[in-house]
Amino acid sequence: AQSVTQPDIHITVSEGASLELRCNYSYGATPYLFWYVQSPGQGLQLLLKYFSGDTLVQGIKGFEAEFKRSQSSFNLRKPSVHWSDAAEYFCAVGTTTSGTYKYIFGTGTRLKVLA
Amino acid sequence: EAGVAQSPRYKIIEKRQSVAFWCNPISGHATLYWYQQILGQGPKLLIQFQNNGVVDDSQLPKDRFSAERLKGVDSTLKIQPAKLEDSAVYLCASRPQGIRTEAFFGQGTRLTVV
Repeated sequence: AQSVTQPDIHITVSEGASLELRCNYSYGATPYLFWYVQSPGQGLQLLLKYFSGDTLVQGIKGFEAEFKRSQSSFNLRKPSVHWSDAAEYFCAVGTTTSGTYKYIFGTGTRLKVLA
Repeated sequence: EAGVAQSPRYKIIEKRQSVAFWCNPISGHATLYWYQQILGQGPKLLIQFQNNGVVDDSQLPKDRFSAERLKGVDSTLKIQPAKLEDSAVYLCASRPQGIRTEAFFGQGTRLTVV
């Protein structure tokens, strides 16, 4: 069965420090992968997506992610975190089953940024 | 371009009452999703529409939840009767045609059942 695992429930970093959020997926075919961010009381905003091609993808707000097929991973990175990055981050995989296309989400990683 | 609109933003009801949520997707998006997000968890798909037809409702508790999408545009999700465990954020999302596309989410409706 398809699934997404985000092993870190909470992460705390200092402002200006680098960040890496982990995501592992389980999907038999070529995965379509996404990272979304959710600020308190808000919906999900797309940070970046991977469909094919270059395995390092750039997103908004200075985020990037690297697809590693051998490790079934799609980790999110940012070289220097800003206080405004404090939010919850969700990794998702787009899957096709019986002709329908849907998204399966991980449980999320809550990021706290220390001033 | 207008985003996905949802209303109400917040709702508090007593258990066994009924409640309805409304969603207006992005114009032209054929696919519409309703997700349930319980506190501390990722969104879980409840139901998926393609135009005005249901393509996946395998995770919808059909004894109390119902949803419709009239004319392939707006959608409503109803809970009747509500239980305490239905307290969650209900997210609506829409997606344009094609596989290589992402879902666009509304701000959600936070439901508290007391």
